[in-house]
Amino acid sequence: AQRVTQPEKLLSVFKGAPVELKCNYSYSGSPELFWYVQYSRQRLQLLLRHISRESIKGFTADLNKGETSFHLKKPFAQEEDSAMYYCALRGYSTLTFGKGTMLLVSP
Amino acid sequence: NAGVTQTPKFQVLKTGQSMTLQCAQDMNHEYMSWYRQDPGMGLRLIHYSVGAGITDQGEVPNGYNVSRSTTEDFPLRLLSAAPSQTSVYFCASSRTGNNEKLFFGSGTQLSVL
Repeated sequence: AQRVTQPEKLLSVFKGAPVELKCNYSYSGSPELFWYVQYSRQRLQLLLRHISRESIKGFTADLNKGETSFHLKKPFAQEEDSAMYYCALRGYSTLTFGKGTMLLVSP
Repeated sequence: NAGVTQTPKFQVLKTGQSMTLQCAQDMNHEYMSWYRQDPGMGLRLIHYSVGAGITDQGEVPNGYNVSRSTTEDFPLRLLSAAPSQTSVYFCASSRTGNNEKLFFGSGTQLSVL
């Protein structure tokens, strides 16, 4: 069975502070992991995926197979980063989402 | 391209009523899926399809039916609505069943009284 755990329902930080949204997974195969983001009144959209090893909007995420983690990080949070963030794990023909973490960035 | 289009945006049903949530995509995507989003529960997969004529159950399929007669359309049917089906429903598609980037619709907010 595949499972994604996001331990924090809410993460509140001040503008300019570092951000780390945690994601842990459980999967018997070779994992493919993603971060999706839902800004207020917008559609859920892909933020980044581990195979691309890219930085999007200043966010990065590294897959740590030893710790089964895929934490999302940004060194300096901006107010426009406030959104709901979902970690997702690809299994056979399905994408399993975590319960999400709401990030609030205050001025 | 319109992307993934869901209708209606809002719906109120009485317990026991049936209805169909519509989903259409114009990107020629093979893979389509339905999720429900509930507070504190995240997104849970209801049903999915890897191509026309092929459907399969996700994590929470009970009370829902789907069909995929064309590549473009993937309707979700509630057979006899229950209050537990009050949720926000999202349709999503991707080019293949390998779950590349998922494109999401804008969602349908459903209330069952």
